[in-house]
Amino acid sequence: KQEVTQIPAALSVPEGENLVLNCSFTDSAIYNLQWFRQDPGKGLTSLLLIQSSQREQTSGRLNASLDKSSGRSTLYIAASQPGDSATYLCAQASGTYKYIFGTGTRLKVLA
Amino acid sequence: GAGVSQTPSNKVTEKGKYVELRCDPISGHTALYWYRQSLGQGPEFLIYFQGTGAADDSGLPNDRFFAVRPEGSVSTLKIQRTERGDSAVYLCASSSGGRYTFGSGTRLTVV
Repeated sequence: KQEVTQIPAALSVPEGENLVLNCSFTDSAIYNLQWFRQDPGKGLTSLLLIQSSQREQTSGRLNASLDKSSGRSTLYIAASQPGDSATYLCAQASGTYKYIFGTGTRLKVLA
Repeated sequence: GAGVSQTPSNKVTEKGKYVELRCDPISGHTALYWYRQSLGQGPEFLIYFQGTGAADDSGLPNDRFFAVRPEGSVSTLKIQRTERGDSAVYLCASSSGGRYTFGSGTRLTVV
């Protein structure tokens, strides 16, 4: 059974810190991987999409990497802000459309 | 529309009743997905539409669940004889080029 695991489950950091969220997946035949942000009571917002042929993607203060050989992805957030507080989910696609999600990392950035 | 719209945002129903959840995807997105998210968990795949047809309904938990997309745009998820275990947030997404856009979800509570 394909699984996606996220560590840590929760994280609290002071404003300004750089931080790393981890995601591991069991299926080496990965098609792509997406990182999402979810605010309480809201849907998910796609942050970064990494195709299987890519090693990383960047958007502003966010950088996501993909290492298929080790089955890992990391989301790096630079200079964290209170507005970054949310749950971050990674999701792996083994085909062209269906994603398997991790249970997320709940991030709280303290002002 | 500008985003994925889901209605209602909240639905409380009695055990055994029938419910319909509606999803209006981004205009022009041919791919549409339904996911279900239980408290503290990541979303779980239910069904994928490409145009009007259900290309993959392998995530539907049982035959009480059914979804349609008759004109290739709006989709309706239908749940018969609801059970308390059906309580969750039902998320709809549409995509273009693999990047998902999610709606805010319908929170279904079966009492």
